[in-house]
Amino acid sequence: EDQVTQSPEALRLQEGESSSLNCSYTVSGLRGLFWYRQDPGKGPEFLFTLYSAGEEKEKERLKATLTKKESFLHITAPKPEDSATYLCAVRLNSGGYQKVTFGTGTKLQVIP
Amino acid sequence: EAGVTQFPSHSVIEKGQTVTLRCDPISGHDNLYWYRRVMGKEIKFLLHFVKESKQDESGMPNNRFLAERTGGTYSTLKVQPAELEDSGVYFCASSQDGRVLSEQFFGPGTRLTVL
Repeated sequence: EDQVTQSPEALRLQEGESSSLNCSYTVSGLRGLFWYRQDPGKGPEFLFTLYSAGEEKEKERLKATLTKKESFLHITAPKPEDSATYLCAVRLNSGGYQKVTFGTGTKLQVIP
Repeated sequence: EAGVTQFPSHSVIEKGQTVTLRCDPISGHDNLYWYRRVMGKEIKFLLHFVKESKQDESGMPNNRFLAERTGGTYSTLKVQPAELEDSGVYFCASSQDGRVLSEQFFGPGTRLTVL
């Protein structure tokens, strides 16, 4: 069965304290891995798509990497405004169209 | 450019009642998706429209759920009759092309509470 697991469930960091979030997956027919940010009361906001092992993408303090079994979201010198739930999702090939499976997310809190 | 919008933002109904959720995708996006997140669980796929056609409805829980997308624009998701376990946040997303690797843009969700 296709599965996406995120860890840790929750993470509390001091402002400036760098860390990484993990997303491991067991899927067949992977067609891309997404990272989303979700703020309370809002829908997921797209951050990155990674397509193949070894790929990296960066945006401000965030950097996403991908291997054959997992992805990491590295947060460098986080600020309080980075506090959110970060969701990982994988896109599978489903009859030629995309189907997305989400992990449960990591709730990040950055303390000033 | 307006994003994906959903209505209502919250709905509280009693078990056995009917509720209809609406989603307006980004203009020009042929692909529209419905997802649901129940408390403590991950966001789960419900179904995928390409224009007005249902491309994949494998995630629909049971026949109490009916999704429509008349004219290929906005979509509705009706739950009839609602049960307690239907409570959760229902998200809609849209994308320009479902076959190439384009990202999905999500709406703010509708929080449904069934009492």
